[in-house]
Amino acid sequence: GAVVSQHPSRVICKSGTSVKIECRSLDFQATTMFWYRQFPKQSLMLMATSNEGSKATYEQGVEKDKFLINHASLTLSTLTVTSAHPEDSSFYICSARPVSIAKNIQYFGAGTRLSVL
Amino acid sequence: DAKTTQPPSMDCAEGRAANLPCNHSTISGNEYVYWYRQIHSQGPQYIIHGLKNNETNEMASLIITEDRKSSTLILPHATLRDTAVYYCIVRVDNAGNMLTFGGGTRLMVKP
Repeated sequence: GAVVSQHPSRVICKSGTSVKIECRSLDFQATTMFWYRQFPKQSLMLMATSNEGSKATYEQGVEKDKFLINHASLTLSTLTVTSAHPEDSSFYICSARPVSIAKNIQYFGAGTRLSVL
Repeated sequence: DAKTTQPPSMDCAEGRAANLPCNHSTISGNEYVYWYRQIHSQGPQYIIHGLKNNETNEMASLIITEDRKSSTLILPHATLRDTAVYYCIVRVDNAGNMLTFGGGTRLMVKP
């Protein structure tokens, strides 16, 4: 199957710092990537939809100035958590849908566990 | 997207078949049934999907009832590595749309 690489897998940072998470589709192109957040014992919640070459679309309640998303190419999207606070500690997961596949199958990265001290 | 209902948890003995049910009584004619699973601390993994016919691949089988109001994911010979949360998602097969995850079923495969 298609591979989505997410980096880093784990990050620990101090409160007030910014953290960048990369999501790469390794063997396919994706015009759209998705960013999810998952708190302990909860399901995945969509944060934003990242569109190549245009602004991301954020879900209600997600601060676009705090969670900066850049989708500069068909294989790379980045999520930057700016001025991170302990309540931002969570599991962040990206996904991408290959443009060459007709069916709506999304492939997910392994996730990034963010811990803000 | 149609709402789905899954049992919160299930147990299965290693080597036996695991049958995971999903109710989607409000499914529309153009909505597919997708199954993903999430092993602890990993991203979700696509398993299988179908519209109305039963489907089988190297991972699992998907049985969809004739009225399409429910389906069952079958793992024919469950292993300990199949322990995960299994999500049943019903959606139109549109390009680019996100997936909406419900609570899923936590499958525990026991030795």
